[in-house]
Amino acid sequence: AQSVTQLDSQVPVFEEAPVELRCNYSSSVSVYLFWYVQYPNQGLQLLLKYLSGSTLVESINGFEAEFNKSQTSFHLRKPSVHISDTAEYFCAVKEGGSQGNLIFGKGTKLSVKP
Amino acid sequence: NAGVTQTPKFQVLKTGQSMTLQCAQDMNHNSMYWYRQDPGMGLRLIYYSASEGTTDKGEVPNGYNVSRLNKREFSLRLESAAPSQTSVYFCASSVQRNTEAFFGQGTRLTVV
Repeated sequence: AQSVTQLDSQVPVFEEAPVELRCNYSSSVSVYLFWYVQYPNQGLQLLLKYLSGSTLVESINGFEAEFNKSQTSFHLRKPSVHISDTAEYFCAVKEGGSQGNLIFGKGTKLSVKP
Repeated sequence: NAGVTQTPKFQVLKTGQSMTLQCAQDMNHNSMYWYRQDPGMGLRLIYYSASEGTTDKGEVPNGYNVSRLNKREFSLRLESAAPSQTSVYFCASSVQRNTEAFFGQGTRLTVV
């Protein structure tokens, strides 16, 4: 069965520093990959997704993630974080072309300090 | 656009009470889902409905029932609430099962 591992439960960083949130998944078959963001007391919002094509995907607020098939990873990066990026980030995976459901990682809490 | 709407936003139940969480989406999506979110556990799928008229168990279905009332609405029922069901519940929908899901704002349920 597909599984998702987010290696860090909490990541504290200073404002304007770079950040990487790590995500690995278990299956080597064709997959769709997603990053969701959850701000305090809110629902989850889609941040970016990889379905096919270019392995580097970007969001409108400066995040990017790279699909690495050989390492079964989909790490999320931002070169310079802002206080407003403080949130919990969830990686999710779905096997492409199947009837499976989204499988979520346990989340990484990003805390940006001034 | 409202997207995915959940009611209520907050609820406190006594052990043994029953209640229904309501969810409606206005995006004409085929698939709908109920997840629960617990600290350090991420989101776990309770039930899903791939299309109108069908429902299936997810990872943690025990103690819950669902109804896909029509294409727009997907309700989650707790017949006899237990403290272990204290959680934040999220409803979500997607065009199909293999596309991204859109989430509601959540229902924070406490069972005492």
